[in-house]
Amino acid sequence: KAGVTQTPRYLIKTRGQQVTLSCSPISGHRSVSWYQQTPGQGLQFLFEYFSETQRNKGNFPGRFSGRQFSNSRSEMNVSTLELGDSALYLCASSSGGLDPDTQYFGPGTRLTVL
Amino acid sequence: AQKVTQAQTEISVVEKEDVTLDCVYETRDTTYYLFWYKQPPSGELVFLIRRNSFDEQNEISGRYSWNFQKSTSSFNFTITASQVVDSAVYFCALSVIKYGNKLVFGAGTILRVKS
Repeated sequence: KAGVTQTPRYLIKTRGQQVTLSCSPISGHRSVSWYQQTPGQGLQFLFEYFSETQRNKGNFPGRFSGRQFSNSRSEMNVSTLELGDSALYLCASSSGGLDPDTQYFGPGTRLTVL
Repeated sequence: AQKVTQAQTEISVVEKEDVTLDCVYETRDTTYYLFWYKQPPSGELVFLIRRNSFDEQNEISGRYSWNFQKSTSSFNFTITASQVVDSAVYFCALSVIKYGNKLVFGAGTILRVKS
């Protein structure tokens, strides 16, 4: 099976712009989660989508949003970019059962905000 | 609230040495899952193990072994006969059922294995 794919792999944006990141889960997986990784804050949970619905949300401002499509692909959007949004954004997919499942991660999108 | 502490920021060993990475977790929930992930320089998190709170059996997989002790809220990871390819950042993570798939990660331990 193909793994989790994320596009683009690298992005450079300027403050105030918005950005959309894409994630394609492993075939058959219905849950997609997003994480932000920074040197200062480490790995932090952004949100989880299951069957096109947001199932869980982390402590991030409303500038961070996401959605999931009927084929389980997911996008996350960050509006009004700030310098502090520079990070590695990781997407993870899992089968989506009620119990915390094993999440398989993609290679990440490295976002740099100038 | 859930919390994971990996007290060792960085460990350096010489190839073939055994090394143990410590992980201590906090949660008031009785049902939870613990994970270890490896992050090589490429950046992708690689899944190593998932363990639920009701299964305290230690596990061995090749050179890797895990010691889960609920009494001390620890889930330590040992690499036997380390190799240069084991050099990476290792993360311990916790997930509780009521929060679905939300993973709470520790800060990570950088492992450097020198030849």
